[in-house]
Amino acid sequence: GQQVMQIPQYQHVQEGEDFTTYCNSSTTLSNIQWYKQRPGGHPVFLIQLVKSGEVKKQKRLTFQFGEAKKNSSLHITATQTTDVGTYFCAGRSGAGSYQLTFGKGTKLSVIP
Amino acid sequence: EPEVTQTPSHQVTQMGQEVILRCVPISNHLYFYWYRQILGQKVEFLVSFYNNEISEKSEIFDDQFSVERPDGSNFTLKIRSTKLEDSAMYFCASSAWQGAAKNIQYFGAGTRLSVL
Repeated sequence: GQQVMQIPQYQHVQEGEDFTTYCNSSTTLSNIQWYKQRPGGHPVFLIQLVKSGEVKKQKRLTFQFGEAKKNSSLHITATQTTDVGTYFCAGRSGAGSYQLTFGKGTKLSVIP
Repeated sequence: EPEVTQTPSHQVTQMGQEVILRCVPISNHLYFYWYRQILGQKVEFLVSFYNNEISEKSEIFDDQFSVERPDGSNFTLKIRSTKLEDSAMYFCASSAWQGAAKNIQYFGAGTRLSVL
């Protein structure tokens, strides 16, 4: 079955440093979504990428979808303590399937 | 902002007992999902539901699990005979009907199930 790998598992950064998490799928994805989960919270939708090579920005967050639609990344510029949480990528395999396959997530800690 | 609501927030049960987890999806959404997250692990898909029937299910969703939409607002997950390994956070999610928006799944706050 489809597998989604995400690295790193943990990342500790000083406040103000940049952060990147990477996601790789074993199969081509129809789209990929990113979620943030605060400690003790639930996954909150951040963004969806659909097109090959797509890049989207949300303030300090930059999301990329690879040309082959098998990998994606999330980059945060100048992290803040409010960025703390676990970032999950979740992929959809194709038309007719709305099942999301989640990566294991990257837990971000920001040291003030 | 509309949200998915789940009750109870925490359910404690004895092994072998039946539990029903309840969800109220966002009102104009037509696709419904259950996921689970074992403590410290990734979110895992269980089942999706559309037009009063299961559209997809994972290998986790065995005969012990069932889903139902008993009325126009609730969506339930039943576990018939709970096992210790069913202890997890269970998330309900829903998504809309039209266009790309139907791909975006909005998650509830979850029900923490503890099986003793």
